[in-house]
Amino acid sequence: DAKTTQPPSMDCAEGRAANLPCNHSTISGNEYVYWYRQIHSQGPQYIIHGLKNNETNEMASLIITEDRKSSTLILPHATLRDTAVYYCIVRPLINTGTASKLTFGTGTRLQVTL
Amino acid sequence: ETGVTQTPRHLVMGMTNKKSLKCEQHLGHNAMYWYKQSAKKPLELMFVYNFKEQTENNSVPSRFSPECPNSSHLFLHLHTLQPEDSALYLCASSQDSAPQSEQYFGPGTRLTVT
Repeated sequence: DAKTTQPPSMDCAEGRAANLPCNHSTISGNEYVYWYRQIHSQGPQYIIHGLKNNETNEMASLIITEDRKSSTLILPHATLRDTAVYYCIVRPLINTGTASKLTFGTGTRLQVTL
Repeated sequence: ETGVTQTPRHLVMGMTNKKSLKCEQHLGHNAMYWYKQSAKKPLELMFVYNFKEQTENNSVPSRFSPECPNSSHLFLHLHTLQPEDSALYLCASSQDSAPQSEQYFGPGTRLTVT
């Protein structure tokens, strides 16, 4: 019960922006949206997280819709090294016992091509 | 790169062997985690330690025994494993076990049980 829905795969040309959608229509008011990615044969890597405002860091931007039911992770200039599986996760603000658990779904496999 | 190291990176063991996986974090974090990632399945949380105390055991069989001697080190002792225990075992750490603390993962140990 990952609580998020993502397309299984996407392609993006190198140098272009990669826009990865995530549906989290059952998100509750006390839950953040987190994004991680996992490059083949490596551990997952934290990318960004947000609550309701758009966020930007050195890796990516996160756009959350006003109703918070969906979000988009944007890699502004994708490179071959961005080829990975990208996971969208919702996590509560407060500790509810197993809140430290990261519940990964199946994610989106992003393939960046020349 | 992430400040979390795991050894060994690959391990092949028989069902009657005893082995240990080691994780070390150099980030000054207080919480550490063991996850299991099987082929074609989402990441599964196994154990959580916060300030050296185990705070979560996600119904893990007793053939997996964690040990956290200090906040920087985490071990997973393995004995009498089954072939279905073959997976990528990932260690992670975070500042604390609060939900909003992003987790930083190690590269994982690829375990094969024969």
